[in-house]
Amino acid sequence: DVKVTQSSRYLVKRTGEKVFLECVQDMDHENMFWYRQDPGLGLRLIYFSYDVKMKEKGDIPEGYSVSREKKERFSLILESASTNQTSMYLCASSLLDRTQYFGPGTRLTVT
Amino acid sequence: EDQVTQSPEALRLQEGESSSLNCSYTVSGLRGLFWYRQDPGKGPEFLFTLYSAGEEKEKERLKATLTKKESFLHITAPKPEDSATYLCAVQADDYKLSFGAGTTVTVRA
Repeated sequence: DVKVTQSSRYLVKRTGEKVFLECVQDMDHENMFWYRQDPGLGLRLIYFSYDVKMKEKGDIPEGYSVSREKKERFSLILESASTNQTSMYLCASSLLDRTQYFGPGTRLTVT
Repeated sequence: EDQVTQSPEALRLQEGESSSLNCSYTVSGLRGLFWYRQDPGKGPEFLFTLYSAGEEKEKERLKATLTKKESFLHITAPKPEDSATYLCAVQADDYKLSFGAGTTVTVRA
């Protein structure tokens, strides 16, 4: 079974803090993705990576950056957290252009 | 721009009452259509991938079908444990998925 894990289920941070969300997959997948999910807006792609040290902007990259130093690990960084970044963050991985498998999600609250 | 529209937004069913969810899409060059199930506070769980019109996939009480413009997820004789939000997503010429807003299904015993 594919397993995608995320570092935290719940996280509370203050405005202006630097926030790291980590994602690890154990299936040797090339592609990894970060989404955020908000009521009424669905899942929106923030960034994705198709190889180590490679990254591509998704639909809403502003205020975020990513890092992929190892194939199994993909980090999402909020350089200076703001209240409008309160959301559910979901990581996914896939083999090339195949099915994306999701992690359990991190509920981030920025106060 | 790829668009995915799911209907209805919400569906309340009695246990055993079969129904269908709709996912209509516009995409240039469909590579795949995906169905996921999502429980509250959790990540989406993969159900099916459909690649070409006419294809059907089944899993327990769920059956997914695909035409050139839409996909249906049929729920046959649902049980309360089938209560969840069902998400549809399409993949075009790149690796990215475009998601619909989802249909929230509630099955009453």
